[in-house]
Amino acid sequence: DAGITQSPRYKITETGRQVTLMCHQTWSHSYMFWYRQDLGHGLRLIYYSAAADITDKGEVSDGYVVSRSKTENFPLTLESATRSQTSVYFCASSALAGGRETQYFGPGTRLLVL
Amino acid sequence: RKEVEQDPGPFNVPEGATVAFNCTYSNSASQSFFWYRQDCRKEPKLLMSVYSSGNEDGRFTAQLNRASQYISLLIRDSKLSDSATYLCVVTNTGGFKTIFGAGTRLFVKA
Repeated sequence: DAGITQSPRYKITETGRQVTLMCHQTWSHSYMFWYRQDLGHGLRLIYYSAAADITDKGEVSDGYVVSRSKTENFPLTLESATRSQTSVYFCASSALAGGRETQYFGPGTRLLVL
Repeated sequence: RKEVEQDPGPFNVPEGATVAFNCTYSNSASQSFFWYRQDCRKEPKLLMSVYSSGNEDGRFTAQLNRASQYISLLIRDSKLSDSATYLCVVTNTGGFKTIFGAGTRLFVKA
């Protein structure tokens, strides 16, 4: 009953480094999402994916890259980390888009960029 | 103006109290509405969906007013375990654009 997992849970990196955050779900959900959560902003959508090999930008996608070669994995890469990318990152999945469908969230990755 | 706005609180209430949260949204074409709960340093979890006719789940009642573009959550007989941040969530076209409010913090004290 793994559900949705994220790794690492905590990460400290330096400005300019590339960082990849992993997300894995065991439900075979079609839809996956990446959010960041910052004080005063709530969760903001970075990228989403409707299926393997189908991804699209969200509200705050600059500086981030995603891929979805397999349905169960949705890694998020910070190409060249900046201090403004210090945040808590949540991955989520859902079986269907919109409607009444729940999004299930992973436990989050806390990223600090020095 | 934010697309989804909530009173950040915090709301400090005694056990047994009734507390209500409101949330307003700016996009009149919004399709789906939810309340999520987020405990400190944890991930958000769905509390309940919000239907046009209003809906109830135990001590929790959600209402939607499309004309005024607001959503409400009422918690009756508050428990200590209700202490959390409550996130108002609005989903637009196809469910791809999901907007989260910044959350309302609730503290229930003995």
